[in-house]
Amino acid sequence: KQEVTQIPAALSVPEGENLVLNCSFTDSAIYNLQWFRQDPGKGLTSLLLIQSSQREQTSGRLNASLDKSSGRSTLYIAASQPGDSATYLCAVYGGSYIPTFGRGTSLIVHP
Amino acid sequence: DAGVIQSPRHEVTEMGQEVTLRCKLISGHNSLFWYRQTMMRGLELLIYFNNNVPIDDSGMPEDRFSAKMPNASFSTLKIQPSEPRDSAVYFCASRTDRGGEKLFFGSGTQLSVL
Repeated sequence: KQEVTQIPAALSVPEGENLVLNCSFTDSAIYNLQWFRQDPGKGLTSLLLIQSSQREQTSGRLNASLDKSSGRSTLYIAASQPGDSATYLCAVYGGSYIPTFGRGTSLIVHP
Repeated sequence: DAGVIQSPRHEVTEMGQEVTLRCKLISGHNSLFWYRQTMMRGLELLIYFNNNVPIDDSGMPEDRFSAKMPNASFSTLKIQPSEPRDSAVYFCASRTDRGGEKLFFGSGTQLSVL
């Protein structure tokens, strides 16, 4: 059974810092990995999706990388802003096409 | 496109009552997922449909929970009878199954069972 772990569980940083959020998974036989953002009281919003044949995806200040062999993905946030404050979740898609979610990293960026 | 639409946004009910949560998929999507989110357990998959057929319902807690897709664009999740431990946020999410496609979530239903 796939298990997804996200470290750290919570993070508080001053504005302007570059951040790295980590996601690790136990079964490397995946075909996609997707990063989401969740604001309090809201649903999940897709940020980036990396297919298994890709090593990374970029969108604006966000960069997600994938290393299947080591069972890891990282989400890099450059020049963090207070508006980046949210919970970030990763979801790993196995052969059954059913995503398994991590518990998320709760991020606070203070001015 | 309006995205995945869930109703109601909030539901407060008394223990023992029937609760029905609704979800409208994004047009053209043929996979539907129902999730439950709590602080204790995070996001838990309840059931997964593909082309209106339930593929994996191993996450459905017990017989009190049932889910249907009466057509390709709509789904319901029913709890009967409801219990206080069912209190959570319930999300549905949809996507196409062409492979490599993103999953899109609704805004969720906040359920409180008193």
